Amino acid sequence: EIVLTQSPGTLSLSPGERATLSCRASQSVRNNALAWYQQQPGQAPRLFIYGASARATGIPDRFSGSGSGTDFTLTISRLEPEDFAVYYCQHYGYSPITFGQGTRVE
Amino acid sequence: EVHLVESGGGLVPPGGSLTLSCAASGFDFKSYWMHWVRQAPGKGLVWVSRIGLFGTTTHYADSVKGRFTVSRDDSRNTLYLQMSSLRVEDTATYYCTRDFPGAHDASDYWGQGTLVSVSS
Repeated sequence: EIVLTQSPGTLSLSPGERATLSCRASQSVRNNALAWYQQQPGQAPRLFIYGASARATGIPDRFSGSGSGTDFTLTISRLEPEDFAVYYCQHYGYSPITFGQGTRVE
Repeated sequence: EVHLVESGGGLVPPGGSLTLSCAASGFDFKSYWMHWVRQAPGKGLVWVSRIGLFGTTTHYADSVKGRFTVSRDDSRNTLYLQMSSLRVEDTATYYCTRDFPGAHDASDYWGQGTLVSVSS
């Protein structure tokens, strides 16, 4: 099982600032099968990034994903008010699918 | 428009059983793998199970293996999760998700979830 460790647990920033979220895997993630989801309070998660760097439909280009192997990053270039939420990374493609514990951007 | 609507959650005592349903609409349900993901109150996301086309392939997280069964009825566009021998630690909101064709096993649509509470 691949264990995903996200850091930091909480990121305290202001609108307009840059956010850098990390996701580290306990072993190499094959084919860059790494996704990022955003979850707003009281809502279901929403797919933001897949394949480590591809934006899902409708996701603004201030969101970018990068990385390979065991180290992945989600960057939000300039935070908008609606970006304050919890972000989860996920490895997929083979069982068991696993999620990181989440990073809260506040 | 894609819609996933879960139902069947509720309060159940430890050792009890419950069956969740997920009604799908807005897409060709039979052509998609489907997943269940859960989230304990105030905690993170945990993948629970997935089911392939025609229901011939199923996989489970170790924590639910042998206790939960995923199934689908393509004629009714409905996904199910039968849960038995429930434990307090199974308390969570259970989400039904659609497998993303662009990245098999990622989830591009999620329902709003149904809450399962296991307590005496």
